Amino acid sequence: DGGITQSPKYLFRKEGQNVTLSCEQNLNHDAMYWYRQDPGQGLRLIYYSQIVNDFQKGDIAEGYSVSREKKESFPLTVTSAQKNPTAFYLCASSIIGRSEKLFFGSGTQLSVL
Amino acid sequence: QQQVKQSPQSLIVQKGGISIINCAYENTAFDYFPWYQQFPGKGPALLIAIRPDVSEKKEGRFTISFNKSAKQFSLHIMDSQPGDSATYFCAARGEANFGNEKLTFGTGTRLTIIP
Repeated sequence: DGGITQSPKYLFRKEGQNVTLSCEQNLNHDAMYWYRQDPGQGLRLIYYSQIVNDFQKGDIAEGYSVSREKKESFPLTVTSAQKNPTAFYLCASSIIGRSEKLFFGSGTQLSVL
Repeated sequence: QQQVKQSPQSLIVQKGGISIINCAYENTAFDYFPWYQQFPGKGPALLIAIRPDVSEKKEGRFTISFNKSAKQFSLHIMDSQPGDSATYFCAARGEANFGNEKLTFGTGTRLTIIP
């Protein structure tokens, strides 16, 4: 089945630690996105990429980093500079030019120990 | 800056009733307005979408009404069912220039359908 796989489902971060969230897709989509979801704030864009080895900052990129070495993969690193990392993180993909139709993974819940 | 405002934050509707969720936007350069449905612990999924040159779009029990002059659009769920209980997000897409066609989401509405 085609889709987006996010792992792990739950992740805990200690103070000063960097953690990496995995996102893999087999939909053959060129565009991939990372969103952060907080209660009452909707989904806010962290980073997005429309081609391998290229990515752009979204609205809340500070404290996060990404890479796009393969079309299928778009991992997100939450760095120690992100002071409020507790949130539900969603990865999505789309066809270029059809970003109104995002395909989302099932998310990763990140919490701080 | 909140470019898409969504209301209400939560909504309780009796089974069989009509659920209505409203959104307003500011940027006239938005060119596509989708609605997403999210169940607990899952990612959102596209429900229905409309372009600004259309005033209404219907798919089954779900209808989008669009008012371009007022910069408002709404989702209507007819004959609401308990299985419709979920969080709904409206969204707006920037103009489809390469590198600029991002979705901006509203803050979400938690819909509960009671028997």
